[in-house]
Parts: sequence; structure tokens; C-alpha cells
Amino acid sequence: AQKVTQAQTEISVVEKEDVTLDCVYETRDTTYYLFWYKQPPSGELVFLIRRNSFDEQNEISGRYSWNFQKSTSSFNFTITASQVVDSAVYFCALSGPFNSGNTPLVFGKGTRLSVIA
Amino acid sequence: EADIYQTPRYLVIGTGKKITLECSQTMGHDKMYWYQQDPGMELHLIHYSYGVNSTEKGDLSSESTVSRIRTEHFPLTLESARPSHTSQYLCASSEEGDGYTFGSGTRLTVV
Repeated sequence: AQKVTQAQTEISVVEKEDVTLDCVYETRDTTYYLFWYKQPPSGELVFLIRRNSFDEQNEISGRYSWNFQKSTSSFNFTITASQVVDSAVYFCALSGPFNSGNTPLVFGKGTRLSVIA
Repeated sequence: EADIYQTPRYLVIGTGKKITLECSQTMGHDKMYWYQQDPGMELHLIHYSYGVNSTEKGDLSSESTVSRIRTEHFPLTLESARPSHTSQYLCASSEEGDGYTFGSGTRLTVV
């Protein structure tokens, strides 16, 4: 069975601080995808990133960066120099295996990030 | 522009009423999903479909039902709404290589 754990339920930071959101996953599949989504107060899910299980390279996109480590089954997300607009709920998710096509996403419980001005 | 649409965006309804939440996508994706999000944030898969005339129940037991008569349309129906059904409902579609696309959601309140 697949499982995603986001141990941090809520985080508060002051603007310009760096913050890391943790994600640990469990799967028996050898091939899988990992995702991060942002959910602002308006409620829609905004796609941030998808990584496949073969690609452990870290990714950077502006102030966002992701650290994927298969050895610890983690896919952590860091926001550098946080801004008030980053305040949202962030979800980590998992799908797989590849040969099943897109299977339903399994989500973590989410981390609510509050950035205070 | 290819997209996924959910209507209504907000709905307040009395207990016992029958409601249908609409979800349509213009991308021709075979796979579609419904997630229920409780006020505590957690997202639960309640239904999914891998194509026309194919529907499956998700991980969370739900009193709702779905149908998939056309590729682009995946409505969710509650025969008799109850306050425990108060949630946000998110519809999504996917195709291998395209990833997952989510609608804006329907916030349902049953009073």
C-alpha cells in the first residue's frame, strides 16, 4: 500500500525566513511519481512539481527547491526567503507504478504554512 | 484552452436534498477522479474512472455515486444530503505523460 506522511501540520515563519516542508513516502512499487501541490485559501490545487523515481536530482525553481532522497524515502520542499503570498496549504502526493499508467494520487495530510509580514 | 470545470463553485443545501456536482474536462483524458476534502484539510479519494462505463470506489467510503457515460463528463450525485457531507469536492483528470489536472472544486454546505 502507498502512504505519504507530512509530519508538520502547521508552520509559521516570519517573512524572508527559509522554510522546509517535510514529506516521507512509503511504496512497494519500484517505479513511482512524487508531486507537490499548493492550495491557497481559494481552494484550488496548484501543481508545483512532479518527479519520477529514477530522477534524484534536486530541482530549483526560483525560490522553490526540492530534495528527493530515495535512501530515506523523502521528498522535501524548501521555500527560500518566504513571502506572505506563500501562505497556503501544501500537499505532497504519490502515484505509481509506471506500467499502470496514472493511478489515483495518494496525498499526505498537508502542511499549513503561514508567513507573517 | 484545455481545462477541467466544476459547477457549482459553492452550494448550500438543506438536509435530505438530492444534489449533483458537475465535472467536465476538455482534454480527452480517460482517467478521472473525485476527492473529498474535509475541513481539516485531508484529501480522500472517493471515486475514480479509467474510462467510459468504468467507475470504482476509492479509499474513503462515500454515500455518493458517480457515472461515466461520456469521456468528458464525470458527475457525482448525493441522493440525500446530510451535514456530514459538508466538504470541498475536487475533481481531477489525468493522462499518462500529462500529469493530473484539478478543477477549482465545489464547496458544499449541508444545513
